[in-house]
Amino acid sequence: AQRVTQPEKLLSVFKGAPVELKCNYSYSGSPELFWYVQYSRQRLQLLLRHISRESIKGFTADLNKGETSFHLKKPFAQEEDSAMYYCALSDASGTYKYIFGTGTRLKVLA
Amino acid sequence: ETGVTQSPTHLIKTRGQQVTLRCSSQSGHNTVSWYQQALGQGPQFIFQYYREEENGRGNFPPRFSGLQFPNYSSELNVNALELDDSALYLCASSSLNNEQFFGPGTRLTVL
Repeated sequence: AQRVTQPEKLLSVFKGAPVELKCNYSYSGSPELFWYVQYSRQRLQLLLRHISRESIKGFTADLNKGETSFHLKKPFAQEEDSAMYYCALSDASGTYKYIFGTGTRLKVLA
Repeated sequence: ETGVTQSPTHLIKTRGQQVTLRCSSQSGHNTVSWYQQALGQGPQFIFQYYREEENGRGNFPPRFSGLQFPNYSSELNVNALELDDSALYLCASSSLNNEQFFGPGTRLTVL
C-alpha cells in the first residue's frame, strides 16, 4: 500500500539546536517526494522537492531509497521555523496525486 | 500572478444537505486537485481534474463529485452531507512540473 509515515506529531527543540523531521514512505515504483510547510494562518506551501536537491531556508532532505526515507534536516533551528510540516509522495502513475503524512508540528523554543 | 483562491472561506451545513465549493486555479495551471483534511490529519486526495476531465480519484464515495471549467477553475460538490464530511477542503493547482500550489481552503462544518 502507498503510505507516508511521519512518526512524530510534535517535535520541540531549542533555538540553535539541530532539527530532524522524520518521513518514511511505502511505494512500489519511483516516487517523487516533497516537504510542505504550513506556518500559522498561512496556506500549505512547498518547502522542498527531492528532485531539485535545493536547500531552502537552511533545510535539506535526502531521499534514501534503501531505507525508504526522506527526512528533513536543519543544522540550527530558528524560532521562525515553528510550523506544521507535511511529507508528501507524488504518485507518478499519471494522476500525480499527493499522498500526505499526518504532519509534524515543530516548535522552536527560545 | 494570482495564486489559488477558494470560496467560501467557511460554511455550515446540516446533515443531508448539498454543498458546492469553488476553486480558481493559479494562472497558467491546467490541473486542479481536491483534498480533504480532517482535524489532526494530513490532506487526503479526493480527485483531480485535467483539462476538464477527471484524471484520478481517491477513496471517496460517488456523492463527492466535481467539475472543471474551460478557464480551469473547479467545483467540488458533496451530496447528502454526513457529520464526518466536516473538514478543511483544499484545492491545489499545478502544471506539467507537478508542483502543486494550494489554496487557503474552505472549512466545512456539518451539524
